[in-house]
Amino acid sequence: QVQLHQSGPGLVKISQTLSLTCAISGDSVSSNSPAWTWIRQSPSRGLEWLGRTYYRSKWYSDYAISVKGRITINPDPSKNQFSLHLNSVTPEDTAVYYCARDRTAGHGNWFDPWGLGTLVTVSS
Amino acid sequence: QSVLTQPPSVSAAPGQKVAISCSGSSSNIGNNYVSWYQQLPGTAPKFLIYDNNKRPSGVPDRFSGSKSGTSATLGITGLQTGDEADYYCATWDSSLSAYVFGTGTKVTVL
Repeated sequence: QVQLHQSGPGLVKISQTLSLTCAISGDSVSSNSPAWTWIRQSPSRGLEWLGRTYYRSKWYSDYAISVKGRITINPDPSKNQFSLHLNSVTPEDTAVYYCARDRTAGHGNWFDPWGLGTLVTVSS
Repeated sequence: QSVLTQPPSVSAAPGQKVAISCSGSSSNIGNNYVSWYQQLPGTAPKFLIYDNNKRPSGVPDRFSGSKSGTSATLGITGLQTGDEADYYCATWDSSLSAYVFGTGTKVTVL
């Protein structure tokens, strides 16, 4: 059974960098099939896909246009985890952040499982 | 900000059925597969349906999915109090090169 364990601070100051980590058990960040994803949820923006990292003979990362230029998602194969770094945060980045595995069976993709979520508040 | 539109809420009595619509466009639902998620209060979303209409093991057959054109629908039959939750659709958007989610629908069991 795959589980994702999130960690990171719940409070970040305006203009600083939000950093979260997602540790994987039951699967490998270096697997050739899934991708490893960050999604956030806020009352104003709903559920918002932020980006993903995945290994297909080499490492790739894709990011949402809304956060491109501020976001980095990095794999850490040595610890079987991946991380989210979002810089220059504003109060608009306040949200519950989820990590999730992005799976496919050859057609569409879906997110399963999800981490428990981390409420991150951006404040001065 | 969501590009997929869902009704804010639906409700029905226990044992009845509800249908939740998810409306998009040719760049998302029209040409990609849809998945559905259930979010119980205070918890992370849980995966319910993939590839428009397939249920993973462990999801009751009371839940079903369908797609027609640029819209998708989640059906729940034999409604139970435990089904009270928010439900979201999701798919890939080829124009945005990103996954997009629906606005969410709150299901209330009367």
